Amino acid sequence: EVQLVESGGGLVQPGRSLKLSCAASGFTFSNYYMAWVRQAPTKGLEWVASITNSGGSTYYRDSVKGRFTISRDNAKSTLYLQMDSLRSEDTATYYCTRTTSIWFAYWGQGTLVTVSS
Amino acid sequence: DVVLTQSPATLSVTPGERISLSCRASESVDTYLHWYQQKPNESPRLLIKYASQSISGIPSRFSGSGSGTDFTLSINGVELEDLSIYYCQQGNSLPHTFGAGTKLELK
Repeated sequence: EVQLVESGGGLVQPGRSLKLSCAASGFTFSNYYMAWVRQAPTKGLEWVASITNSGGSTYYRDSVKGRFTISRDNAKSTLYLQMDSLRSEDTATYYCTRTTSIWFAYWGQGTLVTVSS
Repeated sequence: DVVLTQSPATLSVTPGERISLSCRASESVDTYLHWYQQKPNESPRLLIKYASQSISGIPSRFSGSGSGTDFTLSINGVELEDLSIYYCQQGNSLPHTFGAGTKLELK
């Protein structure tokens, strides 16, 4: 059974940093692209970033480019999202997803990031 | 960016009826259009891929159709457990974008 378990969310001040992790199990992690998708409170879904199975290529939405970094450790079956220079508009539940690069096949339970002073 | 417009925003339904939800793209996405269901306080789950392809484990009452810019998700015989928000998503170009969702509520 595919399992994706996010951690690392919490309350952080504007301008500070936070690093999210996603522990994957139930599949061969190194064979799959992965992505982060977020959802602001009571709002819709928004793709944030994707990474190829090797980690050799990464993709970001414009609003997080230069501030967020997606990475992975295939030996640990773990996906990461380093978030720097956080803004209030980054407040959201962040979902780790296994993706084909075209659709999002499996989703974690999400971790809430709140950016506020 | 490709804008996906979903309609209606809210649909009041009666159990057992057949319903259709619409998703319209601002430019052609071929069949790279996928549907998700998000139940209250849960993570989204994939319902339909490539506009019309079924997903293992998803009830057969869910079906999808369309190509280019106009897409439809149909539920043939709505059940109470289907009261959720439904999102469409395009994977034809980056950034991947989602529609704002259609909420199914009980009439």
